[in-house]
Amino acid sequence: GESVGLHLPTLSVQEGDNSIINCAYSNSASDYFIWYKQESGKGPQFIIDIRSNMDKRQGQRVTVLLNKTVKHLSLQIAATQPGDSAVYFCAENPYNFNKFYFGSGTKLNVKP
Amino acid sequence: KAGVTQTPRYLIKTRGQQVTLSCSPISGHRSVSWYQQTPGQGLQFLFEYFSETQRNKGNFPGRFSGRQFSNSRSEMNVSTLELGDSALYLCASSLGLQGREKLFFGSGTQLSVL
Repeated sequence: GESVGLHLPTLSVQEGDNSIINCAYSNSASDYFIWYKQESGKGPQFIIDIRSNMDKRQGQRVTVLLNKTVKHLSLQIAATQPGDSAVYFCAENPYNFNKFYFGSGTKLNVKP
Repeated sequence: KAGVTQTPRYLIKTRGQQVTLSCSPISGHRSVSWYQQTPGQGLQFLFEYFSETQRNKGNFPGRFSGRQFSNSRSEMNVSTLELGDSALYLCASSLGLQGREKLFFGSGTQLSVL
């Protein structure tokens, strides 16, 4: 979240399994969150967003869960595919304008 | 619909020089934001432009500046380059209708300062 770190954790999963990527955000005033996927050599790609008036939101093969009590966000990917291999970032926004704080990212490796 | 286009894709400059990066947003998008991405600091907000006006600014020195044109295209300028300015510079566009919206990113300009 707002406190970026130097370490990039890695999650390795088998193709077909479900993946869960976690994110801890630091600003309790943040009320809009986005998950991005970044493949090598590309810019971040929007996956799904959620506002703080929701606890859960589903998209195609992805689900985002928001726990405001512990300031935690998670991204669940169902039936993970090799094409899901990338770095995933959560972004938080405590403002009423387009300034986002990005987490340090999690690298997802999908083994065939 | 074409995505966000950033040019050039790669740049190599030397310390003390200046550089200009260009960004063409998605058609119909009026807000353009710029971010710097480095391995050490991650993605950091530089500034946002809307209707040719800088709407918000991050915590970067005045050497970093930008502008937006009437067609929503944006440029970012970095003067007196330092080694630490080596980074991937990402541009993101959004509709600009609400205070904060989902951002759509370009592939970035990879700047190397030697």
